[in-house]
Amino acid sequence: EAGVVQSPRYKIIEKKQPVAFWCNPISGHNTLYWYLQNLGQGPELLIRYENEEAVDDSQLPKDRFSAERLKGVDSTLKIQPAELGDSAVYLCASSLVAGANNEQFFGPGTRLTVL
Amino acid sequence: DQQVKQNSPSLSVQEGRISILNCDYTNSMFDYFLWYKKYPAEGPTFLISISSIKDKNEDGRFTVFLNKSAKHLSLHIVPSQPGDSAVYFCAARKTGGGNKLTFGTGTQLKVEL
Repeated sequence: EAGVVQSPRYKIIEKKQPVAFWCNPISGHNTLYWYLQNLGQGPELLIRYENEEAVDDSQLPKDRFSAERLKGVDSTLKIQPAELGDSAVYLCASSLVAGANNEQFFGPGTRLTVL
Repeated sequence: DQQVKQNSPSLSVQEGRISILNCDYTNSMFDYFLWYKKYPAEGPTFLISISSIKDKNEDGRFTVFLNKSAKHLSLHIVPSQPGDSAVYFCAARKTGGGNKLTFGTGTQLKVEL
């Protein structure tokens, strides 16, 4: 069974440019998460989807970040415009359903470098 | 406000010995705790978990202990193997939190030959 797929794996951009990350969760997983992991820190939740609905986006900086999961399967996270402080690893995870002790499976992440 | 803390950024142990990784939390609403393991350039992978109604959970070489009164948990790896060298994250969740995980900052474990 394929795991969580993320692309690109690495992205280098100049500040003020837009960038987008893509995630395909494990088949059948209704819940999708985007996490931000800064160097030396643990992952921090940005947004959680249940099917196509964003049910927790309280930690998403909405002035420059946006996300979508139009058909309840794969998802895109966008930053526009990117700032130097956005350099980090962006992790996507999925689980069967939220609200239960369901394991979250993580993708390999996208490492973003903003110059 | 760091609600989950891993105060040891790194730990080095010899192969065959016990590795003990510690984690403290401050939010008394947390009722489920997990350990994730992360290799370089990979995402975290689930290792073991424990519910707050238990004080111990064991899975092969891995055992997690929970001390609710001290708001402390620990992961024991016995015996440690070189392949266990990775970053270990402690995470916590609360009922009604929608499976939201709050992670610690991680501990880099190095198992030496």
